[in-house]
Amino acid sequence: EDQVTQSPEALRLQEGESSSLNCSYTVSGLRGLFWYRQDPGKGPEFLFTLYSAGEEKEKERLKATLTKKESFLHITAPKPEDSATYLCAVPDNTGFQKLVFGTGTRLLVSP
Amino acid sequence: SAVISQKPSRDICQRGTSLTIQCQVDSQVTMMFWYRQQPGQSLTLIATANQGSEATYESGFVIDKFPISRPNLTFSTLTVSNMSPEDSSIYLCSAYRAGSGELFFGEGSRLTVL
Repeated sequence: EDQVTQSPEALRLQEGESSSLNCSYTVSGLRGLFWYRQDPGKGPEFLFTLYSAGEEKEKERLKATLTKKESFLHITAPKPEDSATYLCAVPDNTGFQKLVFGTGTRLLVSP
Repeated sequence: SAVISQKPSRDICQRGTSLTIQCQVDSQVTMMFWYRQQPGQSLTLIATANQGSEATYESGFVIDKFPISRPNLTFSTLTVSNMSPEDSSIYLCSAYRAGSGELFFGEGSRLTVL
């Protein structure tokens, strides 16, 4: 069964304190790994899709990387507005972009 | 990217009633999906909305409880039937366009059943 595990469950940072979130997965034949940001009461906002080990993508203070077993979302010099829940997901083995989600990491950045 | 609009954004319903949620995408997409997010939980796929044919449901979800329509490439509805308090959740529509590598979500419909 395809599984996605995210850690830590919650993370509190001071503004400017860089850190990384982890997403490990077990799926046969990875067809992409998705990262989303979700603010309270809102739908997930698409951030990145990674397809192959070694791939990296960046957006502002966020950089996502991918290995054969896990992905990291690096947050450099975070600001309070980066506070949100970050979700990762992988397509299941049907290959039709039906995503299996992790439980997310709740990030709180304090000024 | 695609913009997905959902209506209603929130509703409070009585036990035993049904509610239909609408999802409109601003451009043609290949696939549309419905997810549920229960309080404090992550997202769970309910079904894939297939254009012009019956939806494909995931384990634990059935058509009688969650009938879905998708009459064209940009619109879908999800009905939550004979509601109970356990159906209180956020229901999310998502859309995927082949070749884009991106799967987008609407803002969600927050349903509270009393």
